[in-house]
Amino acid sequence: KAGVTQTPRYLIKTRGQQVTLSCSPISGHRSVSWYQQTPGQGLQFLFEYFSETQRNKGNFPGRFSGRQFSNSRSEMNVSTLELGDSALYLCASSLEAGGYGYTFGSGTRLTVV
Amino acid sequence: TQLLEQSPQFLSIQEGENLTVYCNSSSVFSSLQWYRQEPGEGPVLLVTVVTGGEVKKLKRLTFQFGDARKDSSLHITAAQPGDTGLYLCAGGSRGSTLGRLYFGRGTQLTVWP
Repeated sequence: KAGVTQTPRYLIKTRGQQVTLSCSPISGHRSVSWYQQTPGQGLQFLFEYFSETQRNKGNFPGRFSGRQFSNSRSEMNVSTLELGDSALYLCASSLEAGGYGYTFGSGTRLTVV
Repeated sequence: TQLLEQSPQFLSIQEGENLTVYCNSSSVFSSLQWYRQEPGEGPVLLVTVVTGGEVKKLKRLTFQFGDARKDSSLHITAAQPGDTGLYLCAGGSRGSTLGRLYFGRGTQLTVWP
């Protein structure tokens, strides 16, 4: 079966711009989480959605937002990009919220210049 | 502040050697997951342990969850170059943080032929 698909794989944006990243979970998975990975901080939790509802949010500024659609696909948006937002953004899906195993996508590498 | 502390941060060994990676916390987790990540890809789930004292084996890999569910270890026997990668532990909880994983910073393992 198809895995978690994230698009685009690479993105270069300028400071001040906004960006939208997309994640298609494994068919049947209703929980989608987003993480930011940087060399300095490792993987940091952004938010988690289950059945179109945000169940949990990490300690990121309001510039980071997300949503989940009825088909479980999810998008995250970052507005007013800063240099420090450069990172690998990872999406993970699970059958249910708090599931005991997540399948990660390959990520979107965002570079802010 | 990282909830989960992994050690060592880097490990460079010869093929055939054994190694152990540790994951420690002062917090209790309902589950502890281990992932392996290769450059440019998302983490891949290796195992989930949920019961204190639980031991799981996956070929040459042995995972243990501490009795108090605060720590875990990963032991690799007779390491091979294919084991090279970033090993991440992640803790999950129920309640208000349902759906959120807390990741350690990871252990970068390099196995030389």
